[in-house]
Amino acid sequence: NAGVTQTPKFRVLKTGQSMTLLCAQDMNHEYMYWYRQDPGMGLRLIHYSVGEGTTAKGEVPDGYNVSRLKKQNFLLGLESAAPSQTSVYFCASSHPPNTEAFFGQGTRLTVV
Amino acid sequence: GNSVTQMEGPVTLSEEAFLTINCTYTATGYPSLFWYVQYPGEGLQLLLKATKADDKGSNKGFEATYRKETTSFHLEKGSVQVSDSAVYFCALSERTGFQKLVFGTGTRLLVSP
Repeated sequence: NAGVTQTPKFRVLKTGQSMTLLCAQDMNHEYMYWYRQDPGMGLRLIHYSVGEGTTAKGEVPDGYNVSRLKKQNFLLGLESAAPSQTSVYFCASSHPPNTEAFFGQGTRLTVV
Repeated sequence: GNSVTQMEGPVTLSEEAFLTINCTYTATGYPSLFWYVQYPGEGLQLLLKATKADDKGSNKGFEATYRKETTSFHLEKGSVQVSDSAVYFCALSERTGFQKLVFGTGTRLLVSP
């Protein structure tokens, strides 16, 4: 079973460049999430979606945009990358009312 | 708002030692509680969970009991192995509304032979 798949796994960007991170899940989950993981800060929620065509802001949404055009995919976009966005990004999905979340393997992004 | 506090790491143990990782929470409602584990280079995966007071979650020799009176969910294992070396995250989820997961900062466990 693939579960949650993130693309790419690694990326280096220059300041000001844009990119899109792709998350795909094959479990027919309603909820999808994007987190960033930084040393000493745990996981912080960037944006989330409670169903196809819906998105909402999490704790740290500034500088990011998302789209959920298909139920199985959740895209995270950086329009103009900044060094402060250097982080490891995790996508996750879950299906209510079971709140267990399934995570992808992460994308390590470095902005120079 | 809701929050989770974990003990600072790293926790360094010898194989077969007893493990405790402390976790306390603050929540306005009556949350579900979780422990997730992250092995090197991987995403998080659910280790165990508890959904109501006095419930004990257990998996792979790890246990944690939902203590409403002390707002705690400490993780324990009687005899750790080198393969348990990982980062452990305590988390809570509200049981109404969006049911967002709120994570602690994580505790790194290092087990030596």
